[in-house]
Amino acid sequence: DTGVSQNPRHKITKRGQNVTFRCDPISEHNRLYWYRQTLGQGPEFLTYFQNEAQLEKSRLLSDRFSAERPKGSFSTLEIQRTEQGDSAMYLCASSLSPSGELFFGEGSRLTVL
Amino acid sequence: GESVGLHLPTLSVQEGDNSIINCAYSNSASDYFIWYKQESGKGPQFIIDIRSNMDKRQGQRVTVLLNKTVKHLSLQIAATQPGDSAVYFCAELVSDYKLSFGAGTTVTVRA
Repeated sequence: DTGVSQNPRHKITKRGQNVTFRCDPISEHNRLYWYRQTLGQGPEFLTYFQNEAQLEKSRLLSDRFSAERPKGSFSTLEIQRTEQGDSAMYLCASSLSPSGELFFGEGSRLTVL
Repeated sequence: GESVGLHLPTLSVQEGDNSIINCAYSNSASDYFIWYKQESGKGPQFIIDIRSNMDKRQGQRVTVLLNKTVKHLSLQIAATQPGDSAVYFCAELVSDYKLSFGAGTTVTVRA
């Protein structure tokens, strides 16, 4: 069963460093999402791709954040000059059609020291 | 701010009993709601959804009720099992592709 795969699962970095997370969605899914989740809270929408087109970026995504989905398959989320406030779980999800049923990966947990 | 919110952050239930998790929403125009389950160390998992043209929808051991008059929805889990221990989120589809999640209710099943 090939669900949504995220790497790395855990990343510890020092403030000011750059980090990149990768998401491999379910292969036939054309929709890909990034959410961020902090401890005790529900996931918050960050950005959405339909195929390779990034259709919306949340205002939560500062200029230090960039996401790509170059060929409409896998996606990367890069955070430049990390800050302690960036510490969170970064969740990727995919879906095939417009619905509330998203298939989430297990997340990439970022800790910024 | 949040468009959906939960009533209680935690719920402790005896194994075999029924669980009820509540959620309120603020936008009377909202028309699509979803419940997700998140186990420790995992991503959220879709449980069940309901549209505003329905009052009730049933799945396997789960029922979602929607009361549009008071802008409230609930998730009922029948015969709660240890594997039901998780954080449960209600969410609203606020656009074609964007989900707005509540803060979550942590359900703990007592043996």
